[in-house]
Amino acid sequence: DADVTQTPRNRITKTGKRIMLECSQTKGHDRMYWYRQDPGLGLRLIYYSFDVKDINKGEISDGYSVSRQAQAKFSLSLESAIPNQTALYFCATSDSTAYGYTFGSGTRLTVV
Amino acid sequence: GENVEQHPSTLSVQEGDSAVIKCTYSDSASNYFPWYKQELGKRPQLIIDIRSNVGEKKDQRIAVTLNKTAKHFSLHITETQPEDSAVYFCAASRPPGGQNFVFGPGTRLSVLP
Repeated sequence: DADVTQTPRNRITKTGKRIMLECSQTKGHDRMYWYRQDPGLGLRLIYYSFDVKDINKGEISDGYSVSRQAQAKFSLSLESAIPNQTALYFCATSDSTAYGYTFGSGTRLTVV
Repeated sequence: GENVEQHPSTLSVQEGDSAVIKCTYSDSASNYFPWYKQELGKRPQLIIDIRSNVGEKKDQRIAVTLNKTAKHFSLHITETQPEDSAVYFCAASRPPGGQNFVFGPGTRLSVLP
């Protein structure tokens, strides 16, 4: 089945380390997104990309960067992780109509 | 920019009763309103959506209503079952080719047996 895959599923890292979260999709969607989920705050947009040459900041992009390596791949990097970046991170995709996202299974990141 | 509020933050109902979750949005240009269900430890999944050209949409036990004038929309679940227990998120956006979804903070629904 076409799906959105995130790796790793869980990660514990130390403050100051660089870490990359990866997302790949087989849905053939053009648009890809990275969201962060914190209890009581819902899902907040970090970065989004409408195609390979398009990268846009979301509402909480500080401390993060992204790379759209191909239509099917969108990576999120934390250049120097800090404890308040501990959260559940979701990748999502949509087609050009943007009616409805498909979410990945999430990456739980803990920064100690 | 768009701001989406959602109430209540937690909701407990007895099995078989109805549940209603309400969201308000601020951007009058928003025209698409999906609802996502997130079970514990799982990804959010789309359960129903509504576009601004209709006022109500039903799918079996769930329905969504939209009041564009008041800029609010609601999720209604009837005959609740234990498997309805989850966190529900509303969202608003302006596709196609428009802005991205802005999500509400979520409602944790517990259906008590």
